[in-house]
Order: sequence, then structure tokens, then C-alpha cells
Amino acid sequence: EVQLVESGGGLVQPGWSLRLSCAASGFTFDDYAMHWVRQVPGKGLEWVSGISWNSGTIVYADSVKGRFTISRDNAKNSLYLQMNSLRTEDMALYYCARSKWISGSPIDYWGQGTLVTVSS
Amino acid sequence: QSALTQPPSASGSPGQSVTISCTGTSSDVGGYNYVSWYQQHPGKAPKLMIYEVTKRPSGVPDRFFGSKSGNTASLTVSGLQAEDEADYYCSSYAGNNKLLFGGGTKLTVL
Repeated sequence: EVQLVESGGGLVQPGWSLRLSCAASGFTFDDYAMHWVRQVPGKGLEWVSGISWNSGTIVYADSVKGRFTISRDNAKNSLYLQMNSLRTEDMALYYCARSKWISGSPIDYWGQGTLVTVSS
Repeated sequence: QSALTQPPSASGSPGQSVTISCTGTSSDVGGYNYVSWYQQHPGKAPKLMIYEVTKRPSGVPDRFFGSKSGNTASLTVSGLQAEDEADYYCSSYAGNNKLLFGGGTKLTVL
């Protein structure tokens, strides 16, 4: 069974940093691209970042480019999101998700999300 | 990039059909056949219902039908059932390895 389990969310002040992690199981991790997608509770989905199976292609939404860094460790079946210079508008539930390819294939599995709260 | 445009709400009675639209531009929806639809029940993660405009993953009922015309994609749910009540999101490949989502549509089964 495919499982994606996010962790690392919490309450931080504006300008602080936070590192999210996603532990993957139930599939061959390095056969898939991975993504972070966020959702403000009660609002819509926003794609944040994606990384190809071998980290050769990394892309970001304009809203986080230069502040967030996505990475993966295929030996540990793990995905990460380093979030720096956090803003109140970054407050959301962050989902880890997978797709077969970095582009041209759908996100087919999602984790349950980890909540990031940015408030002073 | 702006989010894809979806109506905030849609509704139908059990057994009826309802169609949800998703409007983008020639740089996303209109430019690629990589439109997906997701169903999200409250407190749950999204579930893939349609991919590549018209394809259904294994296990998704054939009551769910996807289509596209120009810059607008549509999801039609026929034979509405109570369990179809959920939020529905479209997404599209937007070039340069990026994805766009719609703002979501709350489907109510009356």
C-alpha cells in the first residue's frame, strides 16, 4: 500500500525557518517524481514544488522561489522541504505527493498533510 | 501563474448529472492534454478521479467523465450519489514542469 507520511509542521514566527519531511513506503521511491502541494484550510490547492526521481529537475512556484528548497534522499525514501523566510501567507496544510514523471503525469497519491502555522 | 477558474459551487439531486468547468489559458489547459480532476472529502487528502483529460484510474466509477474544449476542461458526474458530495479540483500542466490547480468547486447533492 502506498503511504506518504509528512512531518515537521508547527507554529513559527514570520521570518523563521522550518523543514518538512515526507516518509514514503509501499512503492519504489526512486521510480517517481515527488511534489509538495499546500492548502490553506477551507481554501484551494496550490502546487509548491516538484523534484524528479534523480533530483535532476527541480521546480518551484513563483510564490516560494528563492525561499523554499525541495530535496530528496532516495536511500532513505524521503522527501524534504526547507522553508526559509516564512510569511503569514505560507500558512497552510502541506501535502507530500507523487507522480510518475515531473511533468506530463498526474499526482496520483497524496499524504495526509502537515500543518504549518506562521504567526507572531 | 494564476489559478485555473472553477465555479465555487455546483449542485444536483440524486440520480441527476452535474458538470463542473475549469477554465485556463492556451498556456495550460488549452495547450496540453494533461488535465486532472481530484475529489476531496472534508478532512481527507485529494483523490485522483480523472487524468489526461478523459482517463479514469482503476476503481473510479464510470459515472465520472472528463472532457476538454479549447481552454476549458469539464468534469461531469452522472447518476449523482450522496457520496459524490465533496470538493472537486482541476489541475493542469502549465509548461516548464509546473502545475496549476483550480480554486475548487463544492459539489452538493441535494
